[in-house]
Amino acid sequence: QITLKESGPTLVKPTQTLTLTCTFSGFSLSTSGVGVGWIRQPPGKALEWLALIYWDDDNRYSPSLKSRLTLTKDTSKNQAVLTMTNMDPLDTATYYCAHRRRGEGYKIFDYWGQGTLVTVSS
Amino acid sequence: DIVMTQSPDSLAVSLGERATINCKSSQSLLYSSNNKLYLAWYQQKPGQPPNLLIYWASTRESGVPDRFSGSGSGTDFTLTISSLQAEDVAVYYCQQYYSTPITFGQGTRLEIK
Repeated sequence: QITLKESGPTLVKPTQTLTLTCTFSGFSLSTSGVGVGWIRQPPGKALEWLALIYWDDDNRYSPSLKSRLTLTKDTSKNQAVLTMTNMDPLDTATYYCAHRRRGEGYKIFDYWGQGTLVTVSS
Repeated sequence: DIVMTQSPDSLAVSLGERATINCKSSQSLLYSSNNKLYLAWYQQKPGQPPNLLIYWASTRESGVPDRFSGSGSGTDFTLTISSLQAEDVAVYYCQQYYSTPITFGQGTRLEIK
């Protein structure tokens, strides 16, 4: 059974760096083909894909946010970590991590965490 | 980036009636080498994360009721709920995975009339 859970601060100040951790079970980020995505959703708005970390560190980032994002993983702890620098009030959103369906060509997300609301305010 | 545009933004349908949601991509999502359409649909209920309904434009995810179906070709896609149930009230999103960056539509809010 696959589960994911996001953790991190609920409130950050403008210009600060946000670090979110996705702790998962039921799969390993050291297994070929496995990936974990990060998606965010501002209150009342649409989903926005941020990044995707793969088992082989072939990470992908949204071009519009690439300069601010870093993905890392700790396979021994079954964790994926997203870091976003220079936070702005417009980054206020619920941040989700999600399991990427394994298989050629799949960049779809079949299991999601419950999400964590991050508010950016001074 | 591939832009995904859904229509309508909101929809009210009577219980038991058909609901149709459209999604248009700014470029074809058909990968010629495998003849697959790189389009997925998600359902998001209030306070919950999205739930994968359909992928490859028309393949229903395991456990999804068969009243949900997807169709389309190239750049135009449709999600159909054949007989609306109360539990189908949600926001529905299409997502393309033909190329990075992955992009979502703006969402369609489905309500009961």
